[in-house]
Formats: sequence, structure tokens, C-alpha cells
Amino acid sequence: GQQLNQSPQSMFIQEGEDVSMNCTSSSIFNTWLWYKQDPGEGPVLLIALYKAGELTSNGRLTAQFGITRKDSFLNISASIPSDVGIYFCAGTTNSGGSNYKLTFGKGTLLTVNP
Amino acid sequence: GAVVSQHPSRVICKSGTSVKIECRSLDFQATTMFWYRQFPKKSLMLMATSNEGSKATYEQGVEKDKFLINHASLTLSTLTVTSAHPEDSSFYICSAREDYGYTFGSGTRLTVV
Repeated sequence: GQQLNQSPQSMFIQEGEDVSMNCTSSSIFNTWLWYKQDPGEGPVLLIALYKAGELTSNGRLTAQFGITRKDSFLNISASIPSDVGIYFCAGTTNSGGSNYKLTFGKGTLLTVNP
Repeated sequence: GAVVSQHPSRVICKSGTSVKIECRSLDFQATTMFWYRQFPKKSLMLMATSNEGSKATYEQGVEKDKFLINHASLTLSTLTVTSAHPEDSSFYICSAREDYGYTFGSGTRLTVV
């Protein structure tokens, strides 16, 4: 099945710094989604991307759908302590009946030091 | 925005008993819902796709007789963990597909003692 390679696995940064994480795949994806998960909670959607090359912002967050449709990145600017959590990329493909299944990356654990 | 309500948030049960987890789409109809399992510090692992009015589709390696899924209406899917064992202890999360993406429930922490 499809796999998403998400990096880095973890990041330790100072408050105010910018953060970047990305996901890559050997398969073409037609949707890229970025989620944040707090401990003991379900993932919450941050940004959804639907077209190759699309660049979308949500406050201090910016994400792009790679032009090859095989990658995406998420940037967080001017990090604050509440940005702490696990960030997941996820995507859907058109591969053989799996249209609606989400494939998840392994997550990036973000720690922000005040 | 779309809201998915999942209950209970936590449950402790004895080995051998069954536990039912509910997933409801509150303000939209969901013909397709998904059930995931998540181990500590790991990503979400898709267990099955729940389709309204038809049988669920299980991922490879997931026992369908162990994890019973019922999607009887457009707003409700249930996951029943039958004859639970301690190794079934985990965080279970549902999600529903709607027009602009996938909304997740807040998860259920199952502990089997």
C-alpha cells in the first residue's frame, strides 16, 4: 500500500522560531491534509490541499501541495507553546478502490520551549 | 464546521467482555466512516471502512469477528470490541468523510483488565 515518509520525527525548538516539516511518497496523492493531535485527543485538521502546486495558509501555518503530487510541507511561523503536539500529514490516492482511505505519515512530535 | 462525536472517551472493561464505541456525525451525513487504532507515540492505523447500509471493509490483519462494525444510519457508526483481551487496550479513533475532508472524533481510550 501507499506509504508516507514524514520528517523530522521530532523537533525541539525555542518559542518564536519557525518550523518546517514535510512528507514524501513514491505514489501520487490527489489530496494532502495536515493534522495536529494533542495527547488523548483525535486529530484536528489544520490545512487541506487539493491541487498540485497549491499553497494555503491558516494563520501562522502554511502548507503546500507539491507540484509532482508526491510531497507536501507544513511551515509554522513564530511558534508558541501551544503549538506543542504531534503533527501528521495524510493523503488520499486514486489507487484501485482506495479513493477515500487516508494514508497517514508517522508524525512529527513538536516541542516548544518557552 | 463538521463535528464528529465519539463516546465513550474512556472505558475500562474486564477481559472477556464486549465494549461498544459510538461515532456520530452531528451536523452532516456520513456515508463513509473510518475506524483507526493508535498505539502510544505511533501513527493512526486504519482498521476498517464503515459504509452505511453495507458491510464494513476491513484492512488486512484486522479480525472482523473481533471488531464488529455497524453503520446503520447516515450519522452513526459503532465499533464493538468483542471478547476483549488486554492486548486490545488501545486508543480507538473514528472519522467521517464529508465534502471538504475528514473529521475525527476525540477518541476512546480502552483499557482491558
